[in-house]
Amino acid sequence: GAGVSQSPSNKVTEKGKDVELRCDPISGHTALYWYRQRLGQGLEFLIYFQGNSAPDKSGLPSDRFSAERTGESVSTLTIQRTQQEDSAVYLCASSLSTIQETQYFGPGTRLLVL
Amino acid sequence: DQQVKQNSPSLSVQEGRISILNCDYTNSMFDYFLWYKKYPAEGPTFLISISSIKDKNEDGRFTVFLNKSAKHLSLHIVPSQPGDSAVYFCAATGRRYSGGGADGLTFGKGTHLIIQP
Repeated sequence: GAGVSQSPSNKVTEKGKDVELRCDPISGHTALYWYRQRLGQGLEFLIYFQGNSAPDKSGLPSDRFSAERTGESVSTLTIQRTQQEDSAVYLCASSLSTIQETQYFGPGTRLLVL
Repeated sequence: DQQVKQNSPSLSVQEGRISILNCDYTNSMFDYFLWYKKYPAEGPTFLISISSIKDKNEDGRFTVFLNKSAKHLSLHIVPSQPGDSAVYFCAATGRRYSGGGADGLTFGKGTHLIIQP
């Protein structure tokens, strides 16, 4: 079956521009997560959506970062006024329900801010 | 402050031998641990998990051991195969099985495992 998909796979942008990253979770998965991995670092949790509950935004590094999810489907992560330190691979994952369920990851979006 | 630590950035093991990847954690609230494997240009894929009520979980060639008193877990791969060459991430979370919860996983920086022929 189809896994988690993300688009674009690569994005190069200029400092100060806004970017929008998209994630399509596995159908039927109610939980969706965004992570990022900066060069040489581990995966860093950003935000978590579970069904219709308010998302957990505790991992968002600044107010330039925001994310939305339409029902239990696609999610978009928006970074406003990008900075060079935002350069990273942004990974989306989904799981059936709670955090204990195995998370299935997408291939990631490689963001480079010049 | 890193709550999940993988102190070996890389590990080289001969094909057929045992690979042992280590992970230490500092947060005593963590009660569920996972290992992920990541190939270049791909997202991580789930390998094996263990809850804090167990000290061992086995799945084929993969076994995870948990030592709660030492806040240490390890992943054993026996026998190691060329396709095992990848980056392995240890991850932890602190929600119990009551369901719900809003914590994402906390990941280590990863260990690059290289299986030599």
